[in-house]
Amino acid sequence: EAQVTQNPRYLITVTGKKLTVTCSQNMNHEYMSWYRQDPGLGLRQIYYSMNVEVTDKGDVPEGYKVSRKEKRNFPLILESPSPNQTSLYFCASSYTGGSTDTQYFGPGTRLTVL
Amino acid sequence: SQKIEQNSEALNIQEGKTATLTCNYTNYSPAYLQWYRQDPGRGPVFLLLIRENEKEKRKERLKVTFDTTLKQSLFHITASQPADSATYLCAHTGGGADGLTFGKGTHLIIQP
Repeated sequence: EAQVTQNPRYLITVTGKKLTVTCSQNMNHEYMSWYRQDPGLGLRQIYYSMNVEVTDKGDVPEGYKVSRKEKRNFPLILESPSPNQTSLYFCASSYTGGSTDTQYFGPGTRLTVL
Repeated sequence: SQKIEQNSEALNIQEGKTATLTCNYTNYSPAYLQWYRQDPGRGPVFLLLIRENEKEKRKERLKVTFDTTLKQSLFHITASQPADSATYLCAHTGGGADGLTFGKGTHLIIQP
């Protein structure tokens, strides 16, 4: 089954404790991205990747890092999480990131930073 | 930059009626608009894409229109059912690889 998976689905952590949210897709997509979703603000893009070893900032990249060492994986790294990063995070992928591409979203990771 | 505006208040519709959701955009005409459905606690799911040179797109009970004069897209669900209750997101893509710019979504409730 074609899908985007994320782990963990739920995470409660404390300020400053480094964490990684994993994302994997099995559709051989070149383009992957991370979004965060907050009440009243909607979905906002954090980082995206056009292909292996190619990443770029989205609209809200501060406090986040990403890497793309393999085509299928695109982990999101919070080196020193803060409470304002409490949010619902979605990973997404598409074939090339082109304007007509359908974005496939993962199930989401709900992160709470205390 | 492009701004996408949706009525983020809940929209209550009686079962069997047509639900119409509005997506307004500012500035220049976006090349493409996409519509997604999102259920609580789940990721958005793609529904339809409409290009700026298309007036209308249909898929089963769904219809999307694009009016570049009004800077507006309308999303219709005909013969609505309680299972259609969800949040519907409008998103702009202007070309390139910088992803989608989403509206805040409209929460649709279909009442039996």
